[in-house]
Amino acid sequence: KAGVTQTPRYLIKTRGQQVTLSCSPISGHRSVSWYQQTPGQGLQFLFEYFSETQRNKGNFPGRFSGRQFSNSRSEMNVSTLELGDSALYLCASSQGQGAGNEQFFGPGTRLTVL
Amino acid sequence: AQSVAQPEDQVNVAEGNPLTVKCTYSVSGNPYLFWYVQYPNRGLQFLLKYITGDNLVKGSYGFEAEFNKSQTSFHLKKPSALVSDSALYFCAVRAFSGAGSYQLTFGKGTKLSVIP
Repeated sequence: KAGVTQTPRYLIKTRGQQVTLSCSPISGHRSVSWYQQTPGQGLQFLFEYFSETQRNKGNFPGRFSGRQFSNSRSEMNVSTLELGDSALYLCASSQGQGAGNEQFFGPGTRLTVL
Repeated sequence: AQSVAQPEDQVNVAEGNPLTVKCTYSVSGNPYLFWYVQYPNRGLQFLLKYITGDNLVKGSYGFEAEFNKSQTSFHLKKPSALVSDSALYFCAVRAFSGAGSYQLTFGKGTKLSVIP
């Protein structure tokens, strides 16, 4: 099975712009989660989608949003970019929402905000 | 709310020696515990998990972890370290966060360096 794929892998934007990141989960996986990774804050949970519905959201401002499509693919959007949004954004998929389901991560999208 | 602590930012070990990467957790209810590894410029790779049952869990690449409920710990171990094990290791706990969802919370990570 193909793993989790994320596009693009690298992105450079300027402050005030918006960006959309894409994630394709492993075939058959219906749950998609997004994380932000920075050297200072580590890995922080953004949100989780299951069956096209946002099931959980982390402590991020409303500029961060996402959605999931009927084929389980997911996108996240960040509007009005700030310098502090520079990070590695990781997408993870799992078969279900159960606590015991391990998540499988994509390679990430490296976002740099100038 | 759940939390994970990895008390060591960096662990250095000589190749061939046993290694331990420490993790303690705090969670209400039953803990679901995970270890992930991250190589440079890569996403996280799943190593192993504890759900229930035996306290010693075996995972990928010869790694194992010991669950200790009384000490709320889940330390990662390997009997003989390889240079290729050098990477960033994350401990994580998954707990119920409402609306039928279980949120995964990560520790800050421990950088493991295996010295030839």
